[in-house]
Amino acid sequence: DVKVTQSSRYLVKRTGEKVFLECVQDMDHENMFWYRQDPGLGLRLIYFSYDVKMKEKGDIPEGYSVSREKKERFSLILESASTNQTSMYLCASSVTRWGGELFFGEGSRLTVL
Amino acid sequence: GQQLNQSPQSMFIQEGEDVSMNCTSSSIFNTWLWYKQDPGEGPVLLIALYKAGELTSNGRLTAQFGITRKDSFLNISASIPSDVGIYFCAGYSGGGADGLTFGKGTHLIIQP
Repeated sequence: DVKVTQSSRYLVKRTGEKVFLECVQDMDHENMFWYRQDPGLGLRLIYFSYDVKMKEKGDIPEGYSVSREKKERFSLILESASTNQTSMYLCASSVTRWGGELFFGEGSRLTVL
Repeated sequence: GQQLNQSPQSMFIQEGEDVSMNCTSSSIFNTWLWYKQDPGEGPVLLIALYKAGELTSNGRLTAQFGITRKDSFLNISASIPSDVGIYFCAGYSGGGADGLTFGKGTHLIIQP
């Protein structure tokens, strides 16, 4: 069964902490994405990557960075977490660059106190 | 970025009823997609539409790509409890991943 796995389902962090959200896919997809989901706002694209060591900014990259050292792994980094980054974070992968037929992970719900 | 207006925002229906939801935009899209998110899970693709006027079914679900390319509709017939969740439309206008825009979602709640 094909899968996108996010390492943490629930995290609670304090303001100013560095946060790593890890995502691994087993479908050999070149394209990976990080979205943020908030009630009433839908899904918003944070960063995406078309290849190893490659990254592109999405619609809301401020306060985030990413790392893609291996094809199957795409990490989202919050250098200094803030309360307005409390949210559900969804990782996805896709055969297509534009991400149309996305395979999503189960999500990581982050609370920043 | 482009805006998608998805409606209704939420629906409270009885089991067995039919459901209709839609997405509209002032912009033209090349592709429309419909995803469903079960509680506590990530979204899963239900239907993809690639041509204006296209009507596609997936079991009890039917979706249409509007002829103007500015809207799409999703219908669910004879709803069952496992249809509960959030339904998202997404439109693709071209370019890279930033050309994909998601609607804000329709939250479907089924009352026993």
